[in-house]
Amino acid sequence: SQELEQSPQSLIVQEGKNLTINCTSSKTLYGLYWYKQKYGEGLIFLMMLQKGGEEKSHEKITAKLDEKKQQSSLHITASQPSHAGIYLCGADGGGSQGNLIFGKGTKLSVKP
Amino acid sequence: DTAVSQTPKYLVTQMGNDKSIKCEQNLGHDTMYWYKQDSKKFLKIMFSYNNKELIINETVPNRFSPKSPDKAHLNLHINSLELGDSAVYFCASSQVDRGAFFGQGTRLTVV
Repeated sequence: SQELEQSPQSLIVQEGKNLTINCTSSKTLYGLYWYKQKYGEGLIFLMMLQKGGEEKSHEKITAKLDEKKQQSSLHITASQPSHAGIYLCGADGGGSQGNLIFGKGTKLSVKP
Repeated sequence: DTAVSQTPKYLVTQMGNDKSIKCEQNLGHDTMYWYKQDSKKFLKIMFSYNNKELIINETVPNRFSPKSPDKAHLNLHINSLELGDSAVYFCASSQVDRGAFFGQGTRLTVV
């Protein structure tokens, strides 16, 4: 079965610094989703990538899917305390169920 | 060992029926969630429970009722099922400052 591995598991950065979170799949990705989660709250949808080499940006967050469609990266430029949280990648599970599978998350802390 | 377990994986039922989806987590987490995945694979939170107490109850029909008999279980009961309820439903659990662990999802089809 397909698995998603995120790295790093946790990350502490100084405010204003750039950072990258990676999501690697054991199989080809046909739909890759990035979410942000705050404890006790729901998931906030950030971006969806489908095509190899695709790159999308929203404010200071950029996500990219590699050409082979097995790895995605989420890059935050000039991090701010508001970026702190847990970032989850999700992907199409590939089965007839049509569900998503998820990585274990990356906890981001931003020091003022 | 399965961390978050949902049953059933598939559920096909007729309109008007009442059904339940069960969720159990063996991680010792305090918080459990129910999400609905829409056709675009967006996840919308429905409910969140912390130590058996409801902390988030988003705008969902009253036909949906979560039940948490203990900290490790959060079941979703749906009354009078409608065609529009067809979706994939995810259970998840988390602990403070940790990512959520998701179940495998339950595909509900209402016919």
